[in-house]
Amino acid sequence: DAGITQSPRHKVTETGTPVTLRCHQTENHRYMYWYRQDPGHGLRLIHYSYGVKDTDKGEVSDGYSVSRSKTEDFLLTLESATSSQTSVYFCAISKLGTGYEQYFGPGTRLTVT
Amino acid sequence: DQQVKQNSPSLSVQEGRISILNCDYTNSMFDYFLWYKKYPAEGPTFLISISSIKDKNEDGRFTVFLNKSAKHLSLHIVPSQPGDSAVYFCAASVTGNQFYFGTGTSLTVIP
Repeated sequence: DAGITQSPRHKVTETGTPVTLRCHQTENHRYMYWYRQDPGHGLRLIHYSYGVKDTDKGEVSDGYSVSRSKTEDFLLTLESATSSQTSVYFCAISKLGTGYEQYFGPGTRLTVT
Repeated sequence: DQQVKQNSPSLSVQEGRISILNCDYTNSMFDYFLWYKKYPAEGPTFLISISSIKDKNEDGRFTVFLNKSAKHLSLHIVPSQPGDSAVYFCAASVTGNQFYFGTGTSLTVIP
């Protein structure tokens, strides 16, 4: 257990509204990641962070932004949600760095109507 | 384009028998591979990893085999148990870079 929590766990929102998902970790790991999981695609990396205020884009970053002002919190924001962003979102941490095993939070199920 | 593929969406195995889950990749630069297990409504759980300098890694009932020439890896579970019923994802990376995940194989172990 890597001490990762995600909030909210479920959310329904309307198209065009902003949404922020929060990932919180208790173990002070430097590397944090946001993924989305969709049928037929597995998990795809949205954004990642390698330290406070240090973030970079992943494979599917369009329509998403992130912020990391504290080591323990990594926020994912959908500025204007679209139905294509309906998905399950997972946060992960890596104890060793990018490219090494990651430990995942419980996920947030987001539905955009 | 999917760089990591799991071509079997599902697999059923009798309890006590061997489960073999397969994964193929296209990028010859990948040098680190992982398997994750996922139960419904939970996040993926790291199972086992293998570096490209090895062709086998074992951890208890779980063994991962890597065939670099065929760009293929497999996960063997022996003996399979009902609690192993889950979705299994393989993932690959070039060390130091992001992981690419397969689409998952749903394993059902029949008591």
